[in-house]
Amino acid sequence: EVQLVESGGGLVQPGGSLRLSCAASGFTVSSNYMSWVRQAPGKGLEWVSVIYSGGSTYYADSVKGRFTISRDNSKNTLYLQMNSLRAEDTAVYYCARSPLVGAASGAFDIWGQGTMVTVSS
Amino acid sequence: EIVMTQSPATLSVSPGERATLSCRASQSVSSNLAWYQQKPGQAPRLLIYGASTRATGIPARFSGSGSGTEFTLTISSLQSEDFAVYYCQQYNNWPRWTFGQGTKVEIK
Repeated sequence: EVQLVESGGGLVQPGGSLRLSCAASGFTVSSNYMSWVRQAPGKGLEWVSVIYSGGSTYYADSVKGRFTISRDNSKNTLYLQMNSLRAEDTAVYYCARSPLVGAASGAFDIWGQGTMVTVSS
Repeated sequence: EIVMTQSPATLSVSPGERATLSCRASQSVSSNLAWYQQKPGQAPRLLIYGASTRATGIPARFSGSGSGTEFTLTISSLQSEDFAVYYCQQYNNWPRWTFGQGTKVEIK
Protein backbone atom coordinates (compact mmCIF):
# COMPACT_ATOMS: atom_id res chain seq x y z
CA GLU A 1 0.00 0.00 0.00
CA VAL A 2 1.26 3.45 -0.91
CA GLN A 3 1.28 5.65 2.18
CA LEU A 4 3.07 8.35 4.14
CA VAL A 5 3.19 8.45 7.93
CA GLU A 6 4.38 11.56 9.73
CA SER A 7 5.68 11.80 13.28
CA GLY A 8 7.57 14.20 15.51
CA GLY A 9 5.06 16.95 16.13
CA GLY A 10 4.41 18.42 19.53
CA LEU A 11 4.52 21.50 21.74
CA VAL A 12 7.66 23.61 21.59
CA GLN A 13 8.57 27.02 22.96
CA PRO A 14 9.26 29.98 20.68
CA GLY A 15 12.85 29.83 19.49
CA GLY A 16 12.95 26.07 19.92
CA SER A 17 13.55 23.26 17.45
CA LEU A 18 11.70 20.19 16.27
CA ARG A 19 12.34 17.51 13.66
CA LEU A 20 9.48 15.97 11.74
CA SER A 21 9.72 12.59 10.04
CA CYS A 22 7.69 11.11 7.20
CA ALA A 23 8.06 7.41 6.52
CA ALA A 24 7.04 6.25 3.08
CA SER A 25 5.88 2.80 2.01
CA GLY A 26 4.88 1.43 -1.36
CA PHE A 27 7.11 3.80 -3.33
CA THR A 28 10.60 5.29 -3.24
CA VAL A 29 11.01 8.76 -1.75
CA SER A 30 14.13 9.52 -3.76
CA SER A 31 12.33 8.84 -7.05
CA ASN A 32 9.73 11.55 -6.50
CA TYR A 33 9.42 15.20 -5.52
CA MET A 34 8.68 15.24 -1.80
CA SER A 35 7.22 18.27 -0.06
CA TRP A 36 6.04 19.55 3.28
CA VAL A 37 2.77 21.45 3.27
CA ARG A 38 1.31 23.05 6.38
CA GLN A 39 -2.09 24.23 7.52
CA ALA A 40 -2.52 26.65 10.40
CA PRO A 41 -5.60 26.06 12.57
CA GLY A 42 -8.73 27.01 10.63
CA LYS A 43 -6.67 28.24 7.67
CA GLY A 44 -5.74 27.10 4.17
CA LEU A 45 -2.82 25.14 2.79
CA GLU A 46 0.71 26.55 2.47
CA TRP A 47 3.55 24.84 0.65
CA VAL A 48 6.66 24.89 2.86
CA SER A 49 9.51 23.01 1.23
CA VAL A 50 10.44 20.45 -1.44
CA ILE A 51 13.32 18.12 -2.14
CA TYR A 52 13.81 17.04 -5.72
CA SER A 53 14.82 13.54 -6.76
CA GLY A 54 18.27 14.90 -7.56
CA GLY A 55 18.59 16.37 -4.07
CA SER A 56 17.95 20.06 -4.74
CA THR A 57 15.93 21.77 -2.03
CA TYR A 58 13.65 24.81 -2.02
CA TYR A 59 11.78 26.69 0.66
CA ALA A 60 8.95 29.15 1.08
CA ASP A 61 10.21 32.60 2.03
CA SER A 62 8.43 32.29 5.39
CA VAL A 63 10.72 29.46 6.51
CA LYS A 64 13.92 30.00 4.52
CA GLY A 65 16.98 29.94 6.72
CA ARG A 66 15.10 28.28 9.60
CA PHE A 67 13.83 24.98 8.15
CA THR A 68 15.82 22.24 6.43
CA ILE A 69 14.34 19.43 4.36
CA SER A 70 16.27 16.19 3.91
CA ARG A 71 15.77 12.50 3.28
CA ASP A 72 17.35 9.19 4.24
CA ASN A 73 17.19 6.92 1.22
CA SER A 74 18.08 3.82 3.25
CA LYS A 75 15.07 4.42 5.49
CA ASN A 76 12.85 5.78 2.70
CA THR A 77 12.04 8.67 5.01
CA LEU A 78 11.65 12.41 4.59
CA TYR A 79 12.53 14.92 7.31
CA LEU A 80 11.92 18.54 8.19
CA GLN A 81 14.27 20.14 10.70
CA MET A 82 12.60 23.23 12.12
CA ASN A 83 14.71 25.74 14.05
CA SER A 84 13.99 29.18 15.52
CA LEU A 85 10.31 28.33 15.68
CA ARG A 86 7.74 31.09 15.91
CA ALA A 87 4.11 31.19 16.98
CA GLU A 88 3.11 31.60 13.34
CA ASP A 89 4.67 28.20 12.56
CA THR A 90 1.87 26.54 14.54
CA ALA A 91 0.13 24.22 12.09
CA VAL A 92 -0.55 20.69 10.99
CA TYR A 93 2.39 19.63 8.85
CA TYR A 94 1.74 17.22 6.00
CA CYS A 95 4.28 15.46 3.85
CA ALA A 96 3.14 14.97 0.29
CA ARG A 97 4.38 13.34 -2.90
CA SER A 98 4.49 14.81 -6.39
CA PRO A 99 5.19 12.29 -9.14
CA LEU A 100 8.36 12.79 -11.12
CA VAL A 101 6.77 12.72 -14.56
CA GLY A 102 3.40 13.17 -16.19
CA ALA A 103 0.66 15.77 -16.08
CA ALA A 104 0.30 15.32 -12.32
CA SER A 105 3.93 16.23 -11.71
CA GLY A 106 3.69 19.19 -9.37
CA ALA A 107 0.34 18.14 -7.94
CA PHE A 108 0.33 16.29 -4.63
CA ASP A 109 -1.10 12.84 -5.20
CA ILE A 110 -0.22 11.18 -1.89
CA TRP A 111 -0.51 12.86 1.52
CA GLY A 112 0.32 11.78 5.03
CA GLN A 113 -2.17 12.13 7.85
CA GLY A 114 -0.37 15.16 9.26
CA THR A 115 1.40 15.96 12.52
CA MET A 116 0.54 18.94 14.72
CA VAL A 117 3.21 21.44 15.70
CA THR A 118 2.31 23.98 18.38
CA VAL A 119 4.71 26.82 19.15
CA SER A 120 3.77 28.42 22.44
CA SER A 121 5.25 29.42 25.77
CA GLU B 1 4.26 34.63 -6.42
CA ILE B 2 1.14 33.50 -8.25
CA VAL B 3 -1.94 34.31 -6.19
CA MET B 4 -4.87 31.90 -6.45
CA THR B 5 -8.31 33.30 -5.64
CA GLN B 6 -11.29 31.01 -5.09
CA SER B 7 -14.94 31.94 -5.11
CA PRO B 8 -17.28 31.80 -3.41
CA ALA B 9 -15.85 31.32 0.07
CA THR B 10 -18.90 29.25 1.03
CA LEU B 11 -21.36 27.50 -1.24
CA SER B 12 -24.67 26.23 0.14
CA VAL B 13 -26.08 23.42 -1.97
CA SER B 14 -28.79 20.81 -1.52
CA PRO B 15 -27.95 17.12 -2.01
CA GLY B 16 -28.46 16.13 -5.62
CA GLU B 17 -27.85 19.64 -6.91
CA ARG B 18 -24.95 20.85 -9.01
CA ALA B 19 -22.07 22.79 -7.46
CA THR B 20 -19.76 25.07 -9.41
CA LEU B 21 -16.56 26.33 -7.79
CA SER B 22 -14.23 28.91 -9.33
CA CYS B 23 -10.50 29.49 -9.11
CA ARG B 24 -8.63 32.41 -10.66
CA ALA B 25 -4.85 32.78 -11.03
CA SER B 26 -3.09 36.14 -10.91
CA GLN B 27 -1.17 35.13 -14.05
CA SER B 28 -1.40 32.28 -16.50
CA VAL B 29 -0.68 28.81 -15.11
CA SER B 30 -1.48 27.05 -18.40
CA SER B 31 -3.22 23.79 -17.42
CA ASN B 32 -1.01 23.18 -14.38
CA LEU B 33 -3.88 23.33 -11.94
CA ALA B 34 -5.04 20.80 -9.36
CA TRP B 35 -8.11 20.53 -7.14
CA TYR B 36 -8.23 18.92 -3.70
CA GLN B 37 -10.99 17.93 -1.32
CA GLN B 38 -10.47 18.17 2.42
CA LYS B 39 -12.83 16.90 5.11
CA PRO B 40 -12.51 17.89 8.78
CA GLY B 41 -9.59 16.21 10.50
CA GLN B 42 -8.35 14.64 7.27
CA ALA B 43 -5.56 15.31 4.84
CA PRO B 44 -6.40 16.80 1.44
CA ARG B 45 -7.19 14.36 -1.36
CA LEU B 46 -6.25 14.99 -4.97
CA LEU B 47 -9.35 15.18 -7.19
CA ILE B 48 -8.21 16.76 -10.44
CA TYR B 49 -4.85 17.49 -12.04
CA GLY B 50 -3.91 19.04 -15.35
CA ALA B 51 -7.03 21.20 -14.87
CA SER B 52 -9.36 18.46 -16.12
CA THR B 53 -8.01 14.96 -15.46
CA ARG B 54 -9.59 13.03 -12.62
CA ALA B 55 -7.18 11.35 -10.22
CA THR B 56 -7.37 7.61 -9.65
CA GLY B 57 -10.60 6.55 -8.00
CA ILE B 58 -12.36 9.91 -8.25
CA PRO B 59 -16.03 9.61 -9.28
CA ALA B 60 -17.15 10.93 -12.65
CA ARG B 61 -19.45 13.50 -11.00
CA PHE B 62 -16.31 15.59 -10.39
CA SER B 63 -15.09 17.49 -13.42
CA GLY B 64 -12.60 20.27 -13.98
CA SER B 65 -12.24 22.79 -16.78
CA GLY B 66 -10.35 25.90 -17.75
CA SER B 67 -6.86 27.03 -18.67
CA GLY B 68 -4.71 30.10 -18.31
CA THR B 69 -6.18 32.06 -15.42
CA GLU B 70 -9.78 30.83 -15.05
CA PHE B 71 -10.73 27.38 -13.75
CA THR B 72 -13.86 25.61 -12.61
CA LEU B 73 -14.58 22.53 -10.54
CA THR B 74 -18.06 21.12 -11.06
CA ILE B 75 -19.75 18.50 -8.93
CA SER B 76 -22.68 17.36 -11.03
CA SER B 77 -24.93 15.92 -8.30
CA LEU B 78 -23.79 16.46 -4.75
CA GLN B 79 -23.65 13.43 -2.50
CA SER B 80 -23.54 13.61 1.28
CA GLU B 81 -19.84 12.69 1.26
CA ASP B 82 -19.00 15.67 -1.00
CA PHE B 83 -19.64 18.31 1.65
CA ALA B 84 -16.12 19.50 2.39
CA VAL B 85 -13.60 22.25 1.66
CA TYR B 86 -12.10 22.38 -1.83
CA TYR B 87 -8.75 23.93 -2.71
CA CYS B 88 -7.16 24.74 -6.04
CA GLN B 89 -3.38 24.71 -6.48
CA GLN B 90 -1.15 25.94 -9.28
CA TYR B 91 2.02 24.05 -10.15
CA ASN B 92 3.12 26.07 -13.15
CA ASN B 93 5.58 28.20 -11.19
CA TRP B 94 8.14 25.67 -9.91
CA PRO B 95 8.66 25.21 -7.08
CA ARG B 96 6.64 28.14 -5.74
CA TRP B 97 3.42 26.19 -5.61
CA THR B 98 0.47 28.11 -4.24
CA PHE B 99 -3.04 27.24 -3.12
CA GLY B 100 -6.30 29.12 -3.14
CA GLN B 101 -7.91 29.96 0.18
CA GLY B 102 -10.58 27.30 -0.23
CA THR B 103 -14.31 27.01 -0.87
CA LYS B 104 -16.47 25.34 1.73
CA VAL B 105 -19.36 23.39 0.27
CA GLU B 106 -22.07 23.08 2.90
CA ILE B 107 -25.50 21.54 3.07
CA LYS B 108 -28.30 23.95 2.24
